[in-house]
Amino acid sequence: QSVLTQPPSASGTPGQRVTISCSGSSSNIGNNYIYWYQQLPGTAPKLLIYKTNQRPSGVPDRFSGSESGTSASLAISGLRSEDEADYYCSAWDDGLSGWVFGGGTKLTVL
Amino acid sequence: QVQLQESGPGLVKPSETLSLTCIVSGGSIYTNYWSWIRQPPGKGLEWIGYIYYSGSANYNPSLKSRVSISVDTSKNQFSLRLSSVTGADTAVYYCARYEAPRHDAFDIWGQGTMVTVSS
Repeated sequence: QSVLTQPPSASGTPGQRVTISCSGSSSNIGNNYIYWYQQLPGTAPKLLIYKTNQRPSGVPDRFSGSESGTSASLAISGLRSEDEADYYCSAWDDGLSGWVFGGGTKLTVL
Repeated sequence: QVQLQESGPGLVKPSETLSLTCIVSGGSIYTNYWSWIRQPPGKGLEWIGYIYYSGSANYNPSLKSRVSISVDTSKNQFSLRLSSVTGADTAVYYCARYEAPRHDAFDIWGQGTMVTVSS
């Protein structure tokens, strides 16, 4: 059971906008930055969003992050086939004094 | 460009100690924190812990009694030891750089190494 809760799956068609949610608590999302990682099949995770809504260099602006209270969202606009991957949210948890992850959301591009 | 490469046995017997090493190339180990994160087959990510070059470490409370992370600055590498392993420790183990203060995130990852716990 992951500390952060994500839907196990999401899907969309090319060009569509999809969002992936991440639910936590006041000890993690509610009080700290959120991070998103993209894991393409058979590869290591890659940093996609840092400090809730910032993109590392090289990440397209189709990807955006937001937060509201104890929940966060990753939005992907102009969906492309190469976006098909697992997406993980993460945050520091003050109560556990450690980094926690969501269980991951498998995004399928139909 | 910093690159990370994990190495170590792919098979460990139950109750024994898992040992992995991560070599840091293309950059200095004297900056940032250096981490271990694992992923059981078909499951999500779990942070194990990280260490600063000075030796100061922080561990996942659920693993703290069995985990030790060390750093060897002379070899630009850091290591993981996980004792008393069981089948639940079977996973792909990743080493990663925790970069601060710009990202405050795990921004560079190794390719991962699969470790199976079995007799």
